[in-house]
Parts: sequence; structure tokens; C-alpha cells
Amino acid sequence: DSGVTQTPKHLITATGQRVTLRCSPRSGDLSVYWYQQSLDQGLQFLIQYYNGEERAKGNILERFSAQQFPDLHSELNLSSLELGDSALYFCASSAEQGPFSDSPLHFGNGTRLTVT
Amino acid sequence: GQNIDQPTEMTATEGAIVQINCTYQTSGFNGLFWYQQHAGEAPTFLSYNVLDGLEEKGRFSSFLSRSKGYSYLLLKELQMKDSASYLCAVTEGSNYQLIWGAGTKLIIKP
Repeated sequence: DSGVTQTPKHLITATGQRVTLRCSPRSGDLSVYWYQQSLDQGLQFLIQYYNGEERAKGNILERFSAQQFPDLHSELNLSSLELGDSALYFCASSAEQGPFSDSPLHFGNGTRLTVT
Repeated sequence: GQNIDQPTEMTATEGAIVQINCTYQTSGFNGLFWYQQHAGEAPTFLSYNVLDGLEEKGRFSSFLSRSKGYSYLLLKELQMKDSASYLCAVTEGSNYQLIWGAGTKLIIKP
């Protein structure tokens, strides 16, 4: 168990809809990262927050947004969903602003989103 | 630009040894991570190299040559449960941005 909690585990929704994915980082970790992984593809970095502030942005679509709350949990909002958004969405956390040997990324079990 | 190359797929035999290579081109290299990911599951941390040389952790070892932009993950005494994807990732720059390779799918045969 990595200590990173993601909910829900599975989500099935229709095109055009909006969903919210939730992540609670490991106790003491200040950074939260969001990744998208389509079937048999690599990890695509979406966005990183550190202690409530956006720290780095990857290939995140304008239809997607995220935030990190004062209690350090984070939410990823996906709107106007398209079939191509179907993927595994992982949240990861680390203690510091960036990953180091004593602060690697620890991943949650992911949310599997299916858009029909 | 940023680039990380790994073989797409490798096959090995149970009990044998396999070496998974990773080459990278980045600016401002800080360190290199290896992660294991079973299909449909979360990636799990295996190793981190920041200095040249070999880091050994049980059956798994990771090597780094910064001058060559090269790393490998060595898996010994392969077990069926080692069938997974192995992801190489590099941190670069002052903000320690993490760049991921596409992963190597390792298939273990009896």
C-alpha cells in the first residue's frame, strides 16, 4: 500500500459529461501529481501541485482542471468528456517539490475512467 | 530536447537474468528512477541513481553512466511475477521536472 488514496476506482460516464477524481496524498507529502495512462501507453504528465500551489503543467487539456486544497488533497476535474478521455488516471505524491532519492513518487491505484 | 528511449518489449526465461536499457537526452540532468508497473496497476518505485555506478537492491540492480546518458536495470533470478512494464524516468532542471520513458514490457516464460 503506497498510502496514496484515489477515489473512485472506476467511473463510467457518457460523452459530454463532467467528472471529478479525488486524491489524498501520503501523510506528510506536500506534492501531488496527476497522470493519464491510456491503454498500453506510457504515463502522460498532466499537472503538479505543491503545498496548494500549481508547480508544473504538462499536456493538460483546457477541458481538464485541478486544484489542491488546504488539507493537501487534490481533485482533477474532467469536463465535456470525449471517448478518447477513457484512460487510467493516476495520482502520485512526494514529500518535496520534486522527486529525489528519499522522496520518490508514490502512486495511488488509479481511477479507471470509461467514457461511452 | 528531452528524450528517453527504452526497448518496447523483451522476453526472458524464468530463473535467468535480463538487462533493460534506457538512454536519455536531457538538459540539466538530476537523477534517474526505475519503476515497475504490472498491467492495470500503479507504478511502484524500484531504484534511484544520481551518481555513476551500480546500485544493488536484492535481485534488482540499476546502473548509471551520466557521461553516456545511459542506464540499465538488471533483474536476476527472474520469477514469473517479474512480468511487468519497467519505466525509466529522469529528473531534469532546477524544478526537477520528471520525464518518463514509454516503458519496457518484460515477458517471463517458464
